[in-house]
Amino acid sequence: QQQVKQSPQSLIVQKGGIPIINCAYENTAFDYFPWYQQFPGKGPALLIAIRPDVSEKKEGRFTISFNKSAKQFSLHIMDSQPGDSATYFCAATSNTGKLIFGQGTTLQVKP
Amino acid sequence: GAVVSQHPSRVICKSGTSVKIECRSLDFQATTMFWYRQFPKQSLMLMATSNEGSKATYEQGVEKDKFLINHASLTLSTLTVTSAHPEDSSFYICSARGAGDAYEQYFGPGTRLTVT
Repeated sequence: QQQVKQSPQSLIVQKGGIPIINCAYENTAFDYFPWYQQFPGKGPALLIAIRPDVSEKKEGRFTISFNKSAKQFSLHIMDSQPGDSATYFCAATSNTGKLIFGQGTTLQVKP
Repeated sequence: GAVVSQHPSRVICKSGTSVKIECRSLDFQATTMFWYRQFPKQSLMLMATSNEGSKATYEQGVEKDKFLINHASLTLSTLTVTSAHPEDSSFYICSARGAGDAYEQYFGPGTRLTVT
């Protein structure tokens, strides 16, 4: 019930491509869904987050799509760049603040 | 955005000794701080939640006598790994949440602990 399942585990795209990372959750009490970017040896940084009352949110080149009925959400990175190469984590939480993280996706953007 | 720092960034200690990691919110008051552990190529696992002035709440399977957490002020929380063993070697990351937002957490840069 507390799990957040993330796929794929790794992803390779060419520069300019649109990598898509998917997450699924079970707990309907979750009402905040952030995405984090983590570089090796660093802490995670918040990219973008969504609440379940909207189906899509865009911030710069990052877009979250949210499907409440399917309990799924995904991250799209438009015009991906080599500097976007990192590990991406989805997460979910309720107002307890306890973040439940997905397993992570290692993205490589080739020049 | 809000800034959270951790000190030290790296620490090496001998088996059986204790090590303290500090987490500070630099430009906001953190009513709640969270401590996570991350093993290589794995996800972050929540260890405990601490509210300022209260005892920490530990996740299932985390030994509270081994991982001592203190949140004595609105800008500082500490994690002490007592009687460290090689299996405690990991990347420890804290996050902080302010009073005004129930959801958004700001993460520190992490502390790499190596126990020899």
